[in-house]
Amino acid sequence: DADVTQTPRNRITKTGKRIMLECSQTKGHDRMYWYRQDPGLGLRLIYYSFDVKDINKGEISDGYSVSRQAQAKFSLSLESAIPNQTALYFCATSDGLRETQYFGPGTRLLVL
Amino acid sequence: AQKITQTQPGMFVQEKEAVTLDCTYDTSDPSYGLFWYKQPSSGEMIFLIYQGSYDQQNATEGRYSLNFQKARKSANLVISASQLGDSAMYFCAMIDTGNQFYFGTGTSLTVIP
Repeated sequence: DADVTQTPRNRITKTGKRIMLECSQTKGHDRMYWYRQDPGLGLRLIYYSFDVKDINKGEISDGYSVSRQAQAKFSLSLESAIPNQTALYFCATSDGLRETQYFGPGTRLLVL
Repeated sequence: AQKITQTQPGMFVQEKEAVTLDCTYDTSDPSYGLFWYKQPSSGEMIFLIYQGSYDQQNATEGRYSLNFQKARKSANLVISASQLGDSAMYFCAMIDTGNQFYFGTGTSLTVIP
């Protein structure tokens, strides 16, 4: 089984809809991250969390919110999706030592 | 200002040859970490190699080595004996003392048989 899982893997939605992307990990890591990837822009950090009570904004947090329900679960929400949020979304975890990040398989989101 | 710069959008290499993918970074932090990730066409992000700013020796992991030149703020990835399976996007990344990660825009590597 994969150490970092993301659901759904693909999603199509309409402008204005609320969307939640979920991430679960079995690596036992405290640190979790959400990124989006756009062609030509690489990965950009949306939010990160170093433990259940710690949530931090990343480079591009506007239009997004997160919830750290447990050490193993970190959800990303788009309260009112817009077309320019169409992207590939990655969840990642790290153990805080060498800070190597381990990525989930990604969620492809299309907002019409 | 960009924290990570990858100036090679696309690279080609002959199978079994070595290839260097360039990466320069920008930080004033004394302590930072540098990473390379591989993203095949299937989309997953695969960790390749890590270099700490205080590490005296260049990192190596199998066929991957990181040519770390601190004064020049460069962290180039060297892949030796290229294989067809090495064809992918490669991303350079950095973590600073603010615990934020920054990724470059990537280099697309194509290995030619």
